[in-house]
Amino acid sequence: GAVVSQHPSRVICKSGTSVKIECRSLDFQATTMFWYRQFPKQSLMLMATSNEGSKATYEQGVEKDKFLINHASLTLSTLTVTSAHPEDSSFYICSARGTVDQPQHFGDGTRLSIL
Amino acid sequence: KQEVTQIPAALSVPEGENLVLNCSFTDSAIYNLQWFRQDPGKGLTSLLLIQSSQREQTSGRLNASLDKSSGRSTLYIAASQPGDSATYLCAVMSTTSGTYKYIFGTGTRLKVLA
Repeated sequence: GAVVSQHPSRVICKSGTSVKIECRSLDFQATTMFWYRQFPKQSLMLMATSNEGSKATYEQGVEKDKFLINHASLTLSTLTVTSAHPEDSSFYICSARGTVDQPQHFGDGTRLSIL
Repeated sequence: KQEVTQIPAALSVPEGENLVLNCSFTDSAIYNLQWFRQDPGKGLTSLLLIQSSQREQTSGRLNASLDKSSGRSTLYIAASQPGDSATYLCAVMSTTSGTYKYIFGTGTRLKVLA
């Protein structure tokens, strides 16, 4: 089946550090990629949607200057958390799909802990 | 605004039981609906995708049904096993906003006891 690889799986770093998370679709072309944030025992909150070669569309309340998203190719999207602070600590999950009629596939998530 | 609710929030059953997980949504103008499972600390695994024109989809011991008019979907798990223990999420793709993105339910945490 379709595989989405997300890296790294866990990051622990000091406050003020910028952190980049990569999301790759390994065996299909991801026209659209999504970035989610998940708090403990809660469902997924969509942060932004990106189409290859276009600027990301951010959900209301998500700071675009804080969470930089790049979708430079049909197989790679990156999320950079700039100048991370403890309140940015969370579980971040990426997702990708080909066409809108196809299933959406998810990465294994990145646990981000800011000290 | 689309809202997706899953009942029950948690479920504990003995191994071998057949069980039904429920998902309801408030806006029937959906494009498709997808069921996922999430293991602790992991991402989501796609289980079944039902297009708006379909009534059900089956994969192995799983069967998902869709009744758009009543705003409901069910996930049926036959002969449950301890390995089925996970959180199950339904996600509805609405079309009213003009964007094709999923709205996730609150999830059902399933525990199958050996």
